[in-house]
Amino acid sequence: EAGVAQSPRYKIIEKRQSVAFWCNPISGHATLYWYQQILGQGPKLLIQFQNNGVVDDSQLPKDRFSAERLKGVDSTLKIQPAKLEDSAVYLCASSLDTGPHNEQFFGPGTRLTVL
Amino acid sequence: GQQVMQIPQYQHVQEGEDFTTYCNSSTTLSNIQWYKQRPGGHPVFLIQLVKSGEVKKQKRLTFQFGEAKKNSSLHITATQTTDVGTYFCAGPPRSGNKLVFGAGTILRVKS
Repeated sequence: EAGVAQSPRYKIIEKRQSVAFWCNPISGHATLYWYQQILGQGPKLLIQFQNNGVVDDSQLPKDRFSAERLKGVDSTLKIQPAKLEDSAVYLCASSLDTGPHNEQFFGPGTRLTVL
Repeated sequence: GQQVMQIPQYQHVQEGEDFTTYCNSSTTLSNIQWYKQRPGGHPVFLIQLVKSGEVKKQKRLTFQFGEAKKNSSLHITATQTTDVGTYFCAGPPRSGNKLVFGAGTILRVKS
């Protein structure tokens, strides 16, 4: 079974620039998550989708971050404009369903450096 | 909001020694999940505990969920170099779906 795919793996940009990340979840997984992991911390949920609808985006900085999952499969996360404090690893994860007992499968992440 | 705390932040052990990490939530959890992240890697699911007082074993790893469903522990017997990584606990509050992760415990093993 193929895992969660993410691209790019690494991205370096200057502050105030824009950046987009892409995620392809495991086939058949209805729920998709975007996490931000700052060095030395645990992953922090940014947004959770169930199919193409948003379940939770309470911790997404909506003035600069946006995410979509238009057809209920792939997803993109965008940052516009980026700030220095956005430097982190952005992890995409998926699970079969949205309930609290579902195991989450993580992708390799995109390491973003904002200069 | 819900907070999940883990101690210790970091532990360096000699190969063959035991290791324990503790996880405490500020709110009652519906379940607790444990993930392992190897250096440079991504979190990988290890196990989920659901019942109050539950204990589960995976070879040399023993996981416990507290009676009040607010704390948990992971114990590794006779550590090996393959155990190196960061161990995260994560749990959704009883009333929600969102997983809240602890900051993790970094384990280093000297051979």
